[in-house]
Formats: sequence, structure tokens, C-alpha cells
Amino acid sequence: GDSVTQMEGPVTLSEEAFLTINCTYTATGYPSLFWYVQYPGEGLQLLLKATKADDKGSNKGFEATYRKETTSFHLEKGSVQVSDSAVYFCALTPGGGSNYKLTFGKGTLLTVNP
Amino acid sequence: DTAVSQTPKYLVTQMGNDKSIKCEQNLGHDTMYWYKQDSKKFLKIMFSYNNKELIINETVPNRFSPKSPDKAHLNLHINSLELGDSAVYFCASSHARTRDNEQFFGPGTRLTVL
Repeated sequence: GDSVTQMEGPVTLSEEAFLTINCTYTATGYPSLFWYVQYPGEGLQLLLKATKADDKGSNKGFEATYRKETTSFHLEKGSVQVSDSAVYFCALTPGGGSNYKLTFGKGTLLTVNP
Repeated sequence: DTAVSQTPKYLVTQMGNDKSIKCEQNLGHDTMYWYKQDSKKFLKIMFSYNNKELIINETVPNRFSPKSPDKAHLNLHINSLELGDSAVYFCASSHARTRDNEQFFGPGTRLTVL
């Protein structure tokens, strides 16, 4: 079945540092790929998405590129802020008609210190 | 203005009791979901309904029974609560037929079973 593997956390960075959170996936066909973010005490919010190979999703300074050859969707940000502290989830939905099930990675806790 | 709402936000109860969590979305979506997030933040889908029809049931004990009275509501009833049911439960909704299947999450219900 489909699966998502993302780097183990927690990740602790200083403000303005560069962030990478690795994510790889296993899926048949052409899945859609997502990064969701969960701030403390809240539900999940979509951060960015990509629906086909070589697409780049971007939002709030975060970027991720859909790499089919490496089955990866790594999240990057050039300069993190304290307000970016949250849990980040990589996820996918299968391509095609049965577009219902969102499969998540285990989440990566990011803490940014001032 | 709340897109996906859940009640209650917190639920503390004794083992063996029966409880319900309610979810409503005002986004006009046709698909709704229940997810369970454990203490390690791992998110796993439990159920999905499309147009009031159950389409995903992920090996969840039959003590859990979802009910969808209409497309805007998906409630979760849990019988004979066990300690292991303690978790945060998230409701979500989406347009299932869109290619990217972006899901919108509620704020979560933290269930504690004593």
C-alpha cells in the first residue's frame, strides 16, 4: 500500500537558519503530495501541495518539489522564524478516481529558538 | 465563519462509557473524514464518507460507529470506551473528486479515558 516516510525529529534550529525536512513516498500511479502543518493546540493546515512531477509547491517561504525519479517531496525554507515552530506532516493521496485517502508520514517537530 | 467545527473540544470520561463527537463543515464539500492522532502525533485515517456513504473503514473496532445524517455532518459514536481510545480525534472534509483532494481539518477533540 501507499506509505510516506519523513525524517525523524525533533529538529531544533536557530532563527534565520535553513530548514530541510526530508520526505519520501511509496505509491502506485501518480499521487498528489502535500505538506500539512500543525501549530501547538490546533488542527492541521495545508502548507503547500504538488500534483504532478516537477511541480513546485510554495507558501509562506516554504517550498517543496515533486521529484518522481527519487519519489521525494522535501520541505525547505531559507530562513526560519520562531513562529514556524510546529509539527510538519508530509502526506499523499492516490492519483486517479479513488481520490479519498490521505496517508501521512509520522510528523516532524520543528522548534525554532530566537 | 468556521469551516470545519467539532464539539466538544475536550472530553474526559470513564472506561466503559459511551460518548459521541460531532463534526460539521460549511464548505459545501461532499466528503468527510475522521482521523485519530495518538500521543506520538501519528495520524491515521479511521473513516471516510462521500455523499453520506461510507467509503473507507480502516480496521477500526466496531465500538466506533460513524454516522452521517447529511453531507455537512459526520458524527463519531464510541461505545464501551477503553484506555487506548485516548487520543485527539480530527474531523476533515474535502471535495473528493478534485485532483488534489485538499482536506480541511477541524480543531480536534481531545478524548481522555480514565
